[in-house]
Amino acid sequence: GDSVTQMEGPVTLSEEAFLTINCTYTATGYPSLFWYVQYPGEGLQLLLKATKADDKGSNKGFEATYRKETTSFHLEKGSVQVSDSAVYFCALTVTGGGNKLTFGTGTQLKVEL
Amino acid sequence: GAVVSQHPSRVICKSGTSVKIECRSLDFQATTMFWYRQFPKQSLMLMATSNEGSKATYEQGVEKDKFLINHASLTLSTLTVTSAHPEDSSFYICSWTSGTYNEQFFGPGTRLTVL
Repeated sequence: GDSVTQMEGPVTLSEEAFLTINCTYTATGYPSLFWYVQYPGEGLQLLLKATKADDKGSNKGFEATYRKETTSFHLEKGSVQVSDSAVYFCALTVTGGGNKLTFGTGTQLKVEL
Repeated sequence: GAVVSQHPSRVICKSGTSVKIECRSLDFQATTMFWYRQFPKQSLMLMATSNEGSKATYEQGVEKDKFLINHASLTLSTLTVTSAHPEDSSFYICSWTSGTYNEQFFGPGTRLTVL
């Protein structure tokens, strides 16, 4: 079956530090890959996505590149802010799956001054 | 992106009562919807999937008679937690999709607390 594996958190960084959250996947078909962010007490917001190999999704300074050879979609940001503190979920859908999402377990990010 | 609303955002109820949560798609017609629950510090667990005008398909282990889903129209879906108990306390999140998109659009979630 399909699955997503994320690095466990919490990840604690100082403001302006570099962020990497690792995500790898297994999929029965050709997946589209997503990163969602969840701020405390809120629902999920789409952060970025990539639909084919070598695509780079980017938004709000965050980036992730769809690497088919390593089945990875690592999230990066060059300089984090306190306001980036949230839980980040990596997820995938496969073609023909009715847009059904398979989520990773989520990684909590805490950014401190 | 599409806007999805949920109501109420928070609800506290007594054990044994039923609670209805509404999920609305505000700016597009959604053919498929998903209901999730999320326990503290955990990922989202898919409860059920439904298409407008059809019965919901429940995931394994989810009681369909306890979690009633009505996909009333292309813009409204409701989840009713019947005879709620404290173990049903959770964060419930809906999402929508349609054939036009290859992604889901999430509501802001409803925090249910059963006393």
